[in-house]
Amino acid sequence: DAKTTQPNSMESNEEEPVHLPCNHSTISGTDYIHWYRQLPSQGPEYVIHGLTSNVNNRMASLAIAEDRKSSTLILHRATLRDAAVYYCTHQTGANNLFFGTGTRLTVIP
Amino acid sequence: EADIYQTPRYLVIGTGKKITLECSQTMGHDKMYWYQQDPGMELHLIHYSYGVNSTEKGDLSSESTVSRIRTEHFPLTLESARPSHTSQYLCASSDTGTGEEVQYFGPGTRLTVL
Repeated sequence: DAKTTQPNSMESNEEEPVHLPCNHSTISGTDYIHWYRQLPSQGPEYVIHGLTSNVNNRMASLAIAEDRKSSTLILHRATLRDAAVYYCTHQTGANNLFFGTGTRLTVIP
Repeated sequence: EADIYQTPRYLVIGTGKKITLECSQTMGHDKMYWYQQDPGMELHLIHYSYGVNSTEKGDLSSESTVSRIRTEHFPLTLESARPSHTSQYLCASSDTGTGEEVQYFGPGTRLTVL
């Protein structure tokens, strides 16, 4: 089964960069790494995904280690609206995603 | 923006009632999913479907059943609700064509069984 390890919680000051780490040592060579976030009382929301190269989009950046066993989600300037639970995940055998408990990000004004 | 809808958003119902949670998507996605999530806990995959007439059980055993008669519609049914079914149920869909399988989630149905 796909397993990921993330810190239970992190804090960041508003307008500071945030680096959310994830270990995914069981990932296989063709599995994409996905990040989602879940705001209170909402369904998860896609943030970003990648395979080998670092990726950027309007929400965040994704830095993938060369051995692909870890990755880091980077929020360049945290805002209060970024307070959420962030899930790092990758595909299981049936191409489904396994969601762990994620990292709860608190943004301090 | 994701076009995936779930109704009802909240449901409080008595033990023994039959309920159906609705999920629809307008993105033409083949693959659809149902997850169960208790407050503050991880998401557990309970059902998924590769397309019309396809249904598969997920990682977490569930007494619920699903059907997929139309691409856009993936309802979940509980024949006889019990308090242990109290949870949030999340529906999602993905486009399998690219192999990257980004999932788009609905807002969820919060079910309370008294």
